Amino acid sequence: GDSVTQKQGQVTLSEDDFLFINCTYSTTTYPTLFWYVQYPGQGPQLLLKVTTANNKGISRGFEATYDKGTTSFHLQKASVQESDSAVYFCALVSNSAGNKLTFGIGTRVLVRP
Amino acid sequence: GGIITQTPKFLIGQEGQKLTLKCQQNFNHDTMYWYRQDSGKGLRLIYYSITENDLQKGDLSEGYDASREKKSSFSLTVTSAQKNEMAVFLCASRTDSGNTLYFGEGSRLIVV
Repeated sequence: GDSVTQKQGQVTLSEDDFLFINCTYSTTTYPTLFWYVQYPGQGPQLLLKVTTANNKGISRGFEATYDKGTTSFHLQKASVQESDSAVYFCALVSNSAGNKLTFGIGTRVLVRP
Repeated sequence: GGIITQTPKFLIGQEGQKLTLKCQQNFNHDTMYWYRQDSGKGLRLIYYSITENDLQKGDLSEGYDASREKKSSFSLTVTSAQKNEMAVFLCASRTDSGNTLYFGEGSRLIVV
């Protein structure tokens, strides 16, 4: 079946640091890839998605490239702010899974002022 | 814009009790989901429904029932609450084209 791996459980940064969150995936068909962000006390919300291999998604200063060769979808941001503190989930939906999204375990990002 | 409303925000029950969580959406989306969120385990799918009166089991359906009597509502029942089931339960609905999920704020289950 489909799977998504996020290796980092927590990342702690200072404001203006570079953010990199690792995400790799496994599926037998062509997925759509997502990053969701969950702020404290809220449900997850879509940050960005990419439907086509080798394309990049960009939103609110975050970017992620759908790399079919390395089966990766790493999230980056050049300069983080305290307001970026949240949990970030990588996810995919594939043609074989129908309506089911598969999520990674999430990476908690803490940005210190 | 639409909204997903989950009630109650906190549900406290005793071990062995049957407990129900409710979810309403006004997006008019066909597909709705219940996920369980545990720290360090991400979001795991319990049940989903692609239309009124449809139910599909997810990876974590044992110990849960679901009901989709109306398009706008989707409820989840914990059939016999256990202390190891304390978690946040998230309801979501999905756009009819595009695969984007919209989540509610979550309901926290506390078993005493």
